[in-house]
Amino acid sequence: GQNIDQPTEMTATEGAIVQINCTYQTSGFNGLFWYQQHAGEAPTFLSYNVLDGLEEKGRFSSFLSRSKGYSYLLLKELQMKDSASYLCAVTDSNYQLIWGAGTKLIIKP
Amino acid sequence: ETGVTQTPRHLVMGMTNKKSLKCEQHLGHNAMYWYKQSAKKPLELMFVYNFKEQTENNSVPSRFSPECPNSSHLFLHLHTLQPEDSALYLCASSQEAVSGANVLTFGAGSRLTVL
Repeated sequence: GQNIDQPTEMTATEGAIVQINCTYQTSGFNGLFWYQQHAGEAPTFLSYNVLDGLEEKGRFSSFLSRSKGYSYLLLKELQMKDSASYLCAVTDSNYQLIWGAGTKLIIKP
Repeated sequence: ETGVTQTPRHLVMGMTNKKSLKCEQHLGHNAMYWYKQSAKKPLELMFVYNFKEQTENNSVPSRFSPECPNSSHLFLHLHTLQPEDSALYLCASSQEAVSGANVLTFGAGSRLTVL
């Protein structure tokens, strides 16, 4: 079966760096997404990776290794507003989006 | 403003009630989706409409009935629901349904509680 694994919950300190990992086993691969979802709000698109390597976008970066079925989202200079759930999703060979259960990130002062 | 608006935001209904969830997108997208989000579980795709045609029905019970009158509007009609149907129902849209780089724009969701 198809599966996306990511930690259920992580805690980090304001101003620090945190890395949220995502591993996947899917039927084919057509890209990996990261979404951010604040409590009670809509998930919003953060990043898309289809080739190996690091994509940087301000304080957020996303890395992909297709051979390892692995991605991470790196958040730098953490702010309290970064407290949210982070959803990893992979597009398989049939262009179906396979979702992880999300990682709840708690930022402490 | 996400561009995708869902109403109502909260809904409480009995198992014998009939209600509907509404979704509207102002982005000019051609594909619209219904997802179910339960705590600590992955998003569950329920229905996909591409250019107003239903292209996906993920073995959803018939007590959930979608309707897509045009590319901008999507409804989810609910009847004789079960308590386990209590969840957050998310609507999303995208430029098209079949694409690798298919970025979804979500609404804020309708929180459904079935008593």
